[in-house]
Amino acid sequence: GAGVSQSPRYKVAKRGQDVALRCDPISGHVSLFWYQQALGQGPEFLTYFQNEAQLDKSGLPSDRFFAERPEGSVSTLKIQRTQQEDSAVYLCASSLPSGPTTEAFFGQGTRLTVV
Amino acid sequence: SQKIEQNSEALNIQEGKTATLTCNYTNYSPAYLQWYRQDPGRGPVFLLLIRENEKEKRKERLKVTFDTTLKQSLFHITASQPADSATYLCALPYTGFQKLVFGTGTRLLVSP
Repeated sequence: GAGVSQSPRYKVAKRGQDVALRCDPISGHVSLFWYQQALGQGPEFLTYFQNEAQLDKSGLPSDRFFAERPEGSVSTLKIQRTQQEDSAVYLCASSLPSGPTTEAFFGQGTRLTVV
Repeated sequence: SQKIEQNSEALNIQEGKTATLTCNYTNYSPAYLQWYRQDPGRGPVFLLLIRENEKEKRKERLKVTFDTTLKQSLFHITASQPADSATYLCALPYTGFQKLVFGTGTRLLVSP
């Protein structure tokens, strides 16, 4: 597709349930990022991939969060044993290799609600 | 720690006027700064990037300034239109260029 695609658009999970969020980046984009955006806040960095290598996962809030990009294209963000504080919009972004003019292209996000 | 501040209150202006949004940062020496637009229910969309050695950058009705001494960027929309109503986010690279740190965003409302 022409842009970054995320699925599902909306997810309601019961507390304690595991969820998996998918991101299809723009074809050919080497870098892939996951961000978490709470209501009324800016996006907050979670993790970064360059191809299949996860180079930075410093933003993952706990060991319940796990991300992978096994073939260097599609990425999945998994949240185990969801808690209410995990409710947020999860944004995926992709870009060409990082450099001084890096522009990140964002998907529409997945809105996760934990009840 | 690094901190980015944007006015959290919504900015209301009339159509045709110039909107000016502010981004202040502390404990950073960024090589560049980016501005994004975000509409409700959508992801941010890149608008402009300005480098540390550029004082001003323009794109159509948009103008961005970058004052590394004041640690501030100003984002201007001239001849504003109702379609410009959105939340505008500034973002700085954290370490190297691999991670962006975003401000909280300022919501702009342009009335006809």
